[in-house]
Formats: sequence, C-alpha cells, structure tokens
Amino acid sequence: AQSVAQPEDQVNVAEGNPLTVKCTYSVSGNPYLFWYVQYPNRGLQFLLKYITGDNLVKGSYGFEAEFNKSQTSFHLKKPSALVSDSALYFCAVRVTGKLIFGQGTTLQVKP
Amino acid sequence: DAGVIQSPRHEVTEMGQEVTLRCKPISGHDYLFWYRQTMMRGLELLIYFNNNVPIDDSGMPEDRFSAKMPNASFSTLKIQPSEPRDSAVYFCASSFSPGTYGYTFGSGTRLTVV
Repeated sequence: AQSVAQPEDQVNVAEGNPLTVKCTYSVSGNPYLFWYVQYPNRGLQFLLKYITGDNLVKGSYGFEAEFNKSQTSFHLKKPSALVSDSALYFCAVRVTGKLIFGQGTTLQVKP
Repeated sequence: DAGVIQSPRHEVTEMGQEVTLRCKPISGHDYLFWYRQTMMRGLELLIYFNNNVPIDDSGMPEDRFSAKMPNASFSTLKIQPSEPRDSAVYFCASSFSPGTYGYTFGSGTRLTVV
C-alpha cells in the first residue's frame, strides 16, 4: 500500500539547536512529497514540496527537507529552532491525485 | 484572496440532529477535499471532488455522511443523524493541481455532538 510514516509522535528540542522531523514513504514510481505545519486551532499550512530535481528542498520559515531515494525518506530540518516553531507537522505523499498524510509529529521547542 | 472559507467555525449539536458543514474553495481551484481530524485517527480523507464531480468517496464512514458540490464555489458535508463519535475537526481544502501544488486548507469546523 502507498503510504507515508512519521515514526515519532513528538520531538523535543532546545531553542537554537538544529531540529529534524522524520518521514519515510512507500510509493510506486517517483514520489511527490510535501510537508505541512498546523498551529493550534488552525488549518494545515504548506511548508515545502519535493517533485523532482535537487534533493535538498528549501521552504517557508527557514525549513528545509532532504529527499533520500535509497532510504525512502524525506526528513524535515531546520538549522536553528525557534520556540515559535512548536506545532504539529505532517508529511504527505501524492497518491493518484490526492494527498495521503502521515499521523503527524508534535514539535516542542523549549526556551 | 480570502483563502478557503469554512463555516461554521464551531458547531455543537445533540445526537440525532442533522449537521451541515460548508466550504467555499479558492476561486480557480478545481479540486476540493474534505478531511476529518481526530486524536485517535489523525487526518482522514473523506471525499474529494474534481470539477464538482465526486471522484473518491471511499473514506466516507457510512451512509450518515453525504457531500455535495453543486457548483465550483460551494460544497457541503452533511451528517444525518449525527452521533457523538462524529465529534472531530472537519477540514476543507482546495487545489489547482494537488500533486504539484499541494492543498490550501480552510481553518476547519470543530464539531461536537453531545
């Protein structure tokens, strides 16, 4: 089955430290991959996407993600975390015209 | 652009009542999606439309749920009769080309069935 998995329910990091939120995928063919962020009581907001090309994708708010075909991963990263980055993060993969979302990872950045 | 507009933002209803959730997609977007979010099940795709036509409704939980898109600027999700287990946040999203551009989500409707 085509799917995406986020192995961590929660990631804790200190402000100023680098952060990584993990995502792995299972799809046939070339994957179209996305990251979204959800702040409390809000809808999901688009962060970045990988369609083709450079394996390192840069997105909004200083986030980037690295596509690794051999490991079927698309981890979200940021060099220096901010307290305001605390939110729920979703990885998604395109499957025949629709996006399938992972279960989400809560990122907690502490001062 | 006002984005994807959902109404109401909050709805509290009694078990057995009919509930109608509304969505106005972004003008020019030809795909519309309805998702449900709960702590237990995460984000579930209920149904999606392309050019106002339902394409995949396999995620609709049961016959109590129905969705319509009478025109390109309006969609409804109806639950009749509602049950406490339907309590969730319901999101509408629209897109021009989902695989390439992703979605734009509305702010959601928080439904509580008591």
